[in-house]
Amino acid sequence: QKEVEQNSGPLSVPEGAIASLNCTYSDRGSQSFFWYRQYSGKSPELIMSIYSNGDKEDGRFTAQLNKASQYVSLLIRDSQPSDSATYLCAVNRGNNAGNMLTFGGGTRLMVKP
Amino acid sequence: DAGVTQSPTHLIKTRGQQVTLRCSPKSGHDTVSWYQQALGQGPQFIFQYYEEEERQRGNFPDRFSGHQFPNYSSELNVNALLLGDSALYLCASRPSGANVLTFGAGSRLTVL
Repeated sequence: QKEVEQNSGPLSVPEGAIASLNCTYSDRGSQSFFWYRQYSGKSPELIMSIYSNGDKEDGRFTAQLNKASQYVSLLIRDSQPSDSATYLCAVNRGNNAGNMLTFGGGTRLMVKP
Repeated sequence: DAGVTQSPTHLIKTRGQQVTLRCSPKSGHDTVSWYQQALGQGPQFIFQYYEEEERQRGNFPDRFSGHQFPNYSSELNVNALLLGDSALYLCASRPSGANVLTFGAGSRLTVL
């Protein structure tokens, strides 16, 4: 079992729809959870971080964390073609993101006009 | 304000050779991490440097080594290159005590 698992996709959604990206992790000691966006050929860019169970909203993005189920998700509302990218889920055991991050393989999102 | 800068951006080596990749952290950042990202996969943690010492290491062989200089810049060295070392090598930096990593654009290594 991989430490952090994501569906590789591609996940295809029409413009204006809600995109739902999911991630499960195996280490119950994980405390910090991150979503990164990576455009093709570019470096990862942090979108959201979440540390507590529940929802965290930032603009069109909502991260959801359920530690009991070892599940973290990212919702993108009003999806735009510019959201088309690979979304990477990352976790670490400490509250400090500078400690080792374990990434999932990423989910490729395609938003069609 | 320059972000994290890496060099070279692309390079091609042959099996058995050695390579050195360089990273300058973002201004104000003193902690540098290196990640390897194979095509179609997520980044994998190699190691992290702070105060010129390796503080954490991922599951990579000793062929992978690094260094941090007094100005916080860092090098990643890979010896005895294998075909499987072909990947995008990402450098990330942060201020100590902060929890946001800033990634550089990466160095794409191709081993033939």
